[in-house]
Parts: sequence; C-alpha cells; structure tokens
Amino acid sequence: SYVLTQPPSVSVAPGKTARITCGGNDFGSESVHWYQQKPGQAPVLVIHHDSDRPAGIPDRFSGSNSGNTATLTISRVEAGDEADYYCQMWDSSSDLVVFGGGTKLTV
Amino acid sequence: EVQLVQSGAEVKKPGESLKISCKSSEYSFTNYWIGWVRQMPGRGLEWMGVIYPDDSDIRYSPSLQGQVTISVDKSINTAYLQWSSLKASDTAMYYCARLTGNFWSASYPFDYWGQGTLVTVSS
Repeated sequence: SYVLTQPPSVSVAPGKTARITCGGNDFGSESVHWYQQKPGQAPVLVIHHDSDRPAGIPDRFSGSNSGNTATLTISRVEAGDEADYYCQMWDSSSDLVVFGGGTKLTV
Repeated sequence: EVQLVQSGAEVKKPGESLKISCKSSEYSFTNYWIGWVRQMPGRGLEWMGVIYPDDSDIRYSPSLQGQVTISVDKSINTAYLQWSSLKASDTAMYYCARLTGNFWSASYPFDYWGQGTLVTVSS
C-alpha cells in the first residue's frame, strides 16, 4: 500500500520558519492535505490541495507539492504552533485514504 | 456552523459489542462522504473507511475490513461505527470527519471533524 513518509520530529525557534516534509513514491496529480493536532484535540485542516488555506488559518501556514515531496511551511513560528502535523492524500491506484505518520513540531 | 458531534466515551470488555455515533448538523448530510479515523494511544491517524450517506456506498481500509461496520441513518443525520466483538487492540480514540468531495474521484481533505470518542477495551 501507499506510504507517506514524514520526519518524526522538527524543532524550530520562535519567529523562525519550520518546514515539514511528506514524501511519497509519486503523488501524480493527486493533492496533499495537512492537519494540525494539538494534545487532546481533534485534527484541524490547515492546508488543502497542496497549498490552499481554509478560512481562519493564518497566512503563516503555506504548502507546496513537487510531485513526490509535499512540504508544509510555517513562517514566524509561534509557541501555539507546537503540535503534531499529518499529511494526507488519496491513493488513486487502490482507492485508499493515506495519512503520513505525523511530525511533532517543537517550538 | 457545520458540526459533527460524537457519542461519549465507552469502557467495554473484550468480546462485547459496541456502536458509536456521529451526528451531523448544519449541512446537507446526504451530500458529503463521512469518514472514520482511528488514533491508537500515542500513535498517528489511521483511516478506517468512508460512507456516502445518500446511498450507503462504503469503502473500508483493507486492514480493517471485516473487523468493523460503518453505517448511517439518513433520517437522523447520523453515522455509526460498530464492532461485534471488541478486542483490547481496539482501544483508541475514534474520529468521524466530513470529506469535502467525491471519495472515488480525487484526493479530498476532511474539513470538519468530530470531537472524538475514546473507546477503552479491558478485562
């Protein structure tokens, strides 16, 4: 089955830029989505379709997709951004939803 | 505002059955796929399956097919996840979430999530 690979952890100082990657064999034309999950809370969608932000998500959050690596970028990182981040996509070859293993962002 | 409200925490014994719910409001329930996502203690998100409430079209994760049943009751805008015989390894937080597009056509995100239902299975 399709595997999305994320680094287990990323550390960044406040005010700096954090980049979290999500690697796959080949995303093809399929989009990657990103979720933020804080302890004890449900996941929240922060980026959809590679680079679109839902309403209410700060523009410090951005995304990109190069074809086999998607990247979530958080600029001017704040203490409140500390959370687990998950990438997600749909594997069209097997009709399955796939989540990455998650990355713990430490600020 | 769109809401997905899940049933409360459950404590069960191995071998018991269970059905948890996810009640949707403030949108057209039959027009959006609903998915279930498992999160075992200290672990990541795992997709379990999706259902289209209008016609109950379902797709299960192959790793979980046969172990759980997903269903809906359109008359009360509610989706369900059920087990006929729980195991200790079913201990987890379970989330329902709304898919923004057609599951079979392309990669879509889950835009609204329930608050989660914690299921604990222990003898």
